[in-house]
Amino acid sequence: EIVLTQSPGTLSLSPGERATLSCRASQGVPGNFLTWYQQKPGQAPRLLIYGASSRASGTPDRFSGSGSGTDFTLTISRLEPEDFAVYYCQHYGSSFTFGPGTKVDFK
Amino acid sequence: QVQLVQSGAEVKKPGASMKVSCQASGYTFIDPYIHWVRQAPGQGLEWMGWVNPDSGDTKYAQRFQGRVTMTRDTSNRVAYMELSRLTSDDTAVYYCARDFYVKNQGGAFDLWGQGTMVTVS
Repeated sequence: EIVLTQSPGTLSLSPGERATLSCRASQGVPGNFLTWYQQKPGQAPRLLIYGASSRASGTPDRFSGSGSGTDFTLTISRLEPEDFAVYYCQHYGSSFTFGPGTKVDFK
Repeated sequence: QVQLVQSGAEVKKPGASMKVSCQASGYTFIDPYIHWVRQAPGQGLEWMGWVNPDSGDTKYAQRFQGRVTMTRDTSNRVAYMELSRLTSDDTAVYYCARDFYVKNQGGAFDLWGQGTMVTVS
């Protein structure tokens, strides 16, 4: 089973700044089938990125995904107030394990 | 409207069973798999398994094997997740989610239910 590690645990930033979130897999992710979600308190997760770099419908273009193999990155180019949330990566495949999440909060 | 609507919050005693429903509308129910994901208070997301609404086939995460059953009612467009032998560690919000897959590009859970809070106490 692929184990995902996310860093940092918490990222403290201000609106307008760039956010870089990391997701590392314990072994290569087949097909680079790596997904990113955003979750706000009291809400269900929302799909942002699938296949490591493909934006889901409705995902603003300030969100971008990159990476391959074992190292993946979610970048938010300029943080908007509504982007402060928890972000999870997920391996989509034979198992669907999630990383522990990165919280992006206000500095 | 394309949505998944789940049953309401429950309180269960240790040792009991729970069954959560997930009503689908606005899309072809039998096409995408339905996954179940749970989230304990203040914790991350944990995948539990999927059910194929067309065939009824299932796959469960290893840690839930023997304790979880996922079923569906195609006539009424409802998926179910039943978890038995509950303990306090099963206190969580349970989500159903629709599978989304693009050949050679990967997939994701693109539509989520609102979540069902289950408290075991």
